[in-house]
Amino acid sequence: GQNIDQPTEMTATEGAIVQINCTYQTSGFNGLFWYQQHAGEAPTFLSYNVLDGLEEKGRFSSFLSRSKGYSYLLLKELQMKDSASYLCAVAGSNYQLIWGAGTKLIIKP
Amino acid sequence: KAGVTQTPRYLIKTRGQQVTLSCSPISGHRSVSWYQQTPGQGLQFLFEYFSETQRNKGNFPGRFSGRQFSNSRSEMNVSTLELGDSALYLCASSLDRVHYEQYFGPGTRLTVT
Repeated sequence: GQNIDQPTEMTATEGAIVQINCTYQTSGFNGLFWYQQHAGEAPTFLSYNVLDGLEEKGRFSSFLSRSKGYSYLLLKELQMKDSASYLCAVAGSNYQLIWGAGTKLIIKP
Repeated sequence: KAGVTQTPRYLIKTRGQQVTLSCSPISGHRSVSWYQQTPGQGLQFLFEYFSETQRNKGNFPGRFSGRQFSNSRSEMNVSTLELGDSALYLCASSLDRVHYEQYFGPGTRLTVT
């Protein structure tokens, strides 16, 4: 079957660094996405990885290891506005996105 | 460029009724996907349309259907509503089936009583 796992909830302190992990098992792989979703709002695109390695975009970085079926999203210099759910999604062989249940990130002052 | 729009934003229906939701993608985007989101369930894929054809379908009963028009606008219909259909229904558009980055609309909050 196809499956994406990520932690349900994480807590971090303002100004710190947090790493959100995502492991996946899918039939076919055409890339991995991270989306951010604030409560009551629609998801917004953060990053896309299709090759192994680290992609950096400002305070956010995303890493992919295809051989391990593993990715992480790294958030640096955490701000209160980073409190949100972070969704991991994998594009399978038929172009369909398979979504994880999301990780709720709580930032404390 | 205008974003993805969905109408209506909120809807209250009675069990057994049917409902139609509408989605207008970003201008130039040809692929439209629909999702159901409930607390604790994450995004559940309903279907994807591209060039007026359904390309993928999720594991939902036949009560859930959709279509796409020549201008890429899409509608989804749910017949014989059940209490469990209460959810946020999100529409997302992307440029085509190769460029996966999806842009989401604000969603339609459906409540079935």
